Amino acid sequence: GEEVAQTPKHLVRGEGQKAKLYCAPIKGHSYVFWYQQVLKNEFKFLISFQNENVFDETGMPKERFSAKCLPNSPCSLEIQATKLEDSAVYFCASSMTVNTEAFFGQGTRLTVV
Amino acid sequence: SQQGEEDPQALSIQEGENATMNCSYKTSINNLQWYRQNSGRGLVHLILIRSNEREKHSGRLRVTLDTSKKSSSLLITASRAADTASYFCATVPIQGAQKLVFGQGTRLTINP
Repeated sequence: GEEVAQTPKHLVRGEGQKAKLYCAPIKGHSYVFWYQQVLKNEFKFLISFQNENVFDETGMPKERFSAKCLPNSPCSLEIQATKLEDSAVYFCASSMTVNTEAFFGQGTRLTVV
Repeated sequence: SQQGEEDPQALSIQEGENATMNCSYKTSINNLQWYRQNSGRGLVHLILIRSNEREKHSGRLRVTLDTSKKSSSLLITASRAADTASYFCATVPIQGAQKLVFGQGTRLTINP
């Protein structure tokens, strides 16, 4: 596709439930990035992929967060046992290389209640 | 620590005036990018300037980069109400993690 597609747009989960977010990058882009934005403030980097391989996972809270980018499937970000502080907008972006412009999706707003 | 820091945090001007936002960063970079975020929406890429470039233009946008001062500025000329948004700078460091590192953004309000 010509744009990064994120689903769902909104997700509400009870504390302790699992949340799974999806991202379809632009066709032909090798890199996928996940960011977390809390309260319209800074974008916190979570993880990036080069094709299906993890490229950089320095931002991932590993105990509850996991992510995958498998061939011929949307990328996914999964949060096990959600906490209130996980409430945020999660953005996915893709780019051709790590040094070129990134195209962002419209985000998934996760609300943990 | 935050790589990019924008200044000011908020800016309110009259339509037609020019708006200038600044960004400072800490480490050597491959490139610096500016993005716009309208309320509740995703980021829109505005302009990318590489470390060997000093100035770049795109329509009403002018970006400068001073690698000796580790700073960049975004100038929007003849502002319009539709320019109201948050503007973020993001850097790609040369060493270490290869990813976009964002600043905290400048909230720009254009008053009609």
